[in-house]
Amino acid sequence: QVQLVQSGADRKNPGSSVRVSCKASGGTFSHYAISWLRQAPGQGPEWMGGIIPISGTPRYAQKFQGRLTITADQSTTTADMELTNLRSEDTAIYYCARGGVSGSFLGWYDPWGQGTLVIVSS
Amino acid sequence: QFVLTQPPSVSGAPGQRVTISCTGAGSNIGAGYDVHWYQQLPGTAPKLVIYANNDRPSGVPDRFSGSKSGTSASLAITGLQAEDEADYYCQSYDSGLSGSVFGGGTKLTVL
Repeated sequence: QVQLVQSGADRKNPGSSVRVSCKASGGTFSHYAISWLRQAPGQGPEWMGGIIPISGTPRYAQKFQGRLTITADQSTTTADMELTNLRSEDTAIYYCARGGVSGSFLGWYDPWGQGTLVIVSS
Repeated sequence: QFVLTQPPSVSGAPGQRVTISCTGAGSNIGAGYDVHWYQQLPGTAPKLVIYANNDRPSGVPDRFSGSKSGTSASLAITGLQAEDEADYYCQSYDSGLSGSVFGGGTKLTVL
């Protein structure tokens, strides 16, 4: 059974960057997309982008193009997300999640990491 | 704000049946993309309860079922239990946005 464990909460100043890590264990890592999603307080999840580790090519939601970088390391079964030029509206819980269909960005997300709270405030 | 539209809240008494709707458009649900449903308890990550419109992951009770027709989908929960009280989200893929889209969520209250 795949488990995803994320790095801890962080507080950042506006204009800075944040990096969140997601360590996978217990299952196949390389062929299933790892996506990053975020959830602002009281709102639904929002897909930010993802990567299929074996291909190494990320895909980003248009909204985050230019500010978001997603990488994956097959040797450590870890995926990272870096969001730059942070603003207060980026305050949210950030989740990594594994895609349900091998080799595809289509499909469901299961499992999810435990979430990482990122607060952007001066 | 959210591409998929869900009612903000639904409620039902223990033992009753409730349904939660999810309305999309021709670029997502109406284009034939599958719909998936998640349950989120307070302070926890979303948990998959229905995938590919009407399939259940192992461990999810058969009280949960899904359906899809046209540009809409529904999640049904029968034999409502107190532990079902949670937020529920639908998700699909949108060809115009080239990515996943979610509904704004529905809060289920068990009376």
